[in-house]
Amino acid sequence: QKEVEQDPGPLSVPEGAIVSLNCTYSNSAFQYFMWYRQYSRKGPELLMYTYSSGNKEDGRFTAQVDKSSKYISLFIRDSQPSDSATYLCAMDSSYKLIFGSGTRLLVRP
Amino acid sequence: EAGVTQFPSHSVIEKGQTVTLRCDPISGHDNLYWYRRVMGKEIKFLLHFVKESKQDESGMPNNRFLAERTGGTYSTLKVQPAELEDSGVYFCASMYSGLGEQYFGPGTRLTVT
Repeated sequence: QKEVEQDPGPLSVPEGAIVSLNCTYSNSAFQYFMWYRQYSRKGPELLMYTYSSGNKEDGRFTAQVDKSSKYISLFIRDSQPSDSATYLCAMDSSYKLIFGSGTRLLVRP
Repeated sequence: EAGVTQFPSHSVIEKGQTVTLRCDPISGHDNLYWYRRVMGKEIKFLLHFVKESKQDESGMPNNRFLAERTGGTYSTLKVQPAELEDSGVYFCASMYSGLGEQYFGPGTRLTVT
């Protein structure tokens, strides 16, 4: 069983939709949770960084962490075609990141 | 501020040859990481430097892989001899201190034929 599970998608939504991306994990020791965005042939770009449980908002992006359920989410409001990318969740384990496999998102104009 | 840079962006070599990948972290970042993504799999940790010291190399696949970080600045990852299963994208990341916020480079795509 993988430590971090993420639906690979692809997820296709119309422009302006609210997007929900999710990951589950098995290791209750994880404390730091991140979302990265990766465009094709590029490196992962850090979007959101959250410590422990709770919500964090940054513009159109909201990250949620529910440690009791071992479940994290990223919400994208008013999605744009430029949001089309692969979204990776990652968790910090003893200074190294454990990644999900990534969800491909396509926002249709 | 310049981000993490990696060189080359793409390398194609034959099985048995040697390849050296380079990473220049963000200036002032003591922590430097190497990760790898092979086809169809998630990005996986290879090793972690703090300045010039290897903090954790538990993810290195075998002794064909050698990483160095000269003077605590740039880092190199050498694969010698390369095997077919070494093909993938090798990412470097750096972090100032503490936990969490690692910034990634664009990656080096390695193809072993």
